[in-house]
Amino acid sequence: DAGVTQSPTHLIKTRGQQVTLRCSPKSGHDTVSWYQQALGQGPQFIFQYYEEEERQRGNFPDRFSGHQFPNYSSELNVNALLLGDSALYLCASRARGWADEKLFFGSGTQLSVL
Amino acid sequence: AQKVTQAQTEISVVEKEDVTLDCVYETRDTTYYLFWYKQPPSGELVFLIRRNSFDEQNEISGRYSWNFQKSTSSFNFTITASQVVDSAVYFCALSEAGSSNTGKLIFGQGTTLQVKP
Repeated sequence: DAGVTQSPTHLIKTRGQQVTLRCSPKSGHDTVSWYQQALGQGPQFIFQYYEEEERQRGNFPDRFSGHQFPNYSSELNVNALLLGDSALYLCASRARGWADEKLFFGSGTQLSVL
Repeated sequence: AQKVTQAQTEISVVEKEDVTLDCVYETRDTTYYLFWYKQPPSGELVFLIRRNSFDEQNEISGRYSWNFQKSTSSFNFTITASQVVDSAVYFCALSEAGSSNTGKLIFGQGTTLQVKP
C-alpha cells in the first residue's frame, strides 16, 4: 500500500518563475493538505482540498494556488517565486470524517529559489 | 489564536539515557487534538500519537510515553532508554476538532534530538 507520494523530490527555480508540485494521496484518502516548512522551522499550513475544492486556507498570498483532481491527487502552484519561497513543501492526506483524524505525510519537495 | 511552543531547540543525550521533550500549547477551543510527529532526515513526518482534549490519560507505547496535562496546557513526550535511531526532529502539533478542520495542524518549532552512541 503506497503512502503519500510527492514529485519532484528536488527543484531549483529562479526568482519570478512559476512552479508546480504534485501529490498523490495514500490509498483510500480523499483529503489533501499542503504545508511549507522553512529550514529549521515547523511546517506551516497552506491549504486543504477535498471534493476538488479549496476548503481551508492558511496565511499565504494568492501566489499560492492549488488544484485537486477527481482521483484525489493534488497540485500546488506558486507564481512569481521569491527567494523566501525556498522551503520543503509537504503534502499530507487523510480520510475525511470523525473516525480518522490522522494525517499521513509525504517526504516532500525541496524547492530552492535562486 | 492557537499556538504551540517547543522551548527546547536541540537536545543531545548519550544512548540509553531517558529524555523528555516539552510541548506547551495555547488554544481557546474546548475540543482539540494534540499530536507528536517525528521527522527523520528523509523529511517525511511520521505520526507518533494523537490525543484529544477530553482524554488526559497518560499513554505508553514501548519506549515512548506521553504526559498530557490540561491544567498546564502541556503535552510532553518521554523516550526511555534512548537509541541512536531516535535521532530526529520531533514536532508537537495542535488542531481543532471537526472533520473540516483537521487537515490543518499548528506545529511547534520542533526539537532536534541527537542520541550519541
